[in-house]
This record gives sequence, C-alpha cells and structure tokens, in this order.
Amino acid sequence: GESVGLHLPTLSVQEGDNSIINCAYSNSASDYFIWYKQESGKGPQFIIDIRSNMDKRQGQRVTVLLNKTVKHLSLQIAATQPGDSAVYFCAETHTGTASKLTFGTGTRLQVTL
Amino acid sequence: SAVISQKPSRDICQRGTSLTIQCQVDSQVTMMFWYRQQPGQSLTLIATANQGSEATYESGFVIDKFPISRPNLTFSTLTVSNMSPEDSSIYLCSTLDGNSNQPQHFGDGTRLSIL
Repeated sequence: GESVGLHLPTLSVQEGDNSIINCAYSNSASDYFIWYKQESGKGPQFIIDIRSNMDKRQGQRVTVLLNKTVKHLSLQIAATQPGDSAVYFCAETHTGTASKLTFGTGTRLQVTL
Repeated sequence: SAVISQKPSRDICQRGTSLTIQCQVDSQVTMMFWYRQQPGQSLTLIATANQGSEATYESGFVIDKFPISRPNLTFSTLTVSNMSPEDSSIYLCSTLDGNSNQPQHFGDGTRLSIL
C-alpha cells in the first residue's frame, strides 16, 4: 500500500542551529502535505502545510520544501530552540483536503544547549 | 481552530473490560476522526466518525472492537472493547472543517494501559 516514511528517526541539533527533517512519500497522487509537532504528553500540533502546486512555503521560523519529482518533503526550522524538542510527523493525502491522512513514522528532534 | 477535549486523559484497565473515550469540540465540525498511536510509533487512522450514521472503519479495524458514536457535530465517543495488553496505546481524536482548506486538529489523546 501507499506509505509515508522518514529517513532519520532521531535528529540532534545545537540550540541556534538550523534543523532539517526529511520525509519521503510513495503516492504520486498525493496533493496535500502537513507537518505536525508532537510534544510529550500532547496531541499532534499543526505546524505548516503545503499543496502540490507549490514547491516551498514559509512560516514563522519554519519552511517546508516539496520536491514532487523525487517525492520528498522537508521541514526546515531556523535557529532551533529548546522548545522545538519534540517528535515531528509528516502527513499526506491525495483527496485535496485533509480528510484521509497517512502519517510518516516520525523524527525525534533533540535540541542540545 | 477548534478546541478539542478528550476524556479520560489516561486510564489503566484490566484485560477483558471495555472503556469509552469521549471527544468534545467547542464548535461544530464537519468531520471527526479516531486514531491509535502505539508506544513510540506513528498515528494510524481507526475510523471516521460520521454524524448520524455508522462510522467508516479503516482496514484492520472493526466495529465490534471499536464501536464509535457521533450523535451531533460536536461530540464523539470511541469504545475499546474486550481489551488486551495489545490495545495499550494513545487514542487520539481529531477534527476537520470540511468547509475550509484546513488541516486536521488533534486533541491531546487518551493514554490507555491494559494490565
């Protein structure tokens, strides 16, 4: 079946550095992608999303890049802070809306001081 | 975005028993979903809770094990029936307003341990 996966299960970065979290997806029909952050004891929190008609989208300190050619998605966090420590999930859907999400395996981001 | 409250936030149950988890939203939403997140793993969709009709279950999940109710546009319940240790997971409720191009938003989940 279709799947969404991540390359690195754990990423350790120093405070102030930039973080890059990667995600590969297999469904070429995927048209909507979402990044979620999950802190310990909490539910997933929406960070940023991107649709397949875009290659890049920026938010506050975060940027999502979409490469449809190689079916790859990345989340860049600028000036990583201790509060960014969490598990990050990518999710995708091919329905045009977020009604049928497939989640990746998750990457744990550890920010060291 | 809607504020989603789940009850209980955690529970420890005996095998063979059943537990009903509640999900309350502070505004009417078009769609509600239930996910399972096993320890250290990603989220897996259990079913879509349909208002006024039977839930739509994903492959591997059945109504007898995970009965779902959705009596109105702000509330849903998930029951985990005849629990075994393998059912120890976080169960998450999420919502989606189908009238806008918004992502799903999640509650903080119910952490369930089966002894």
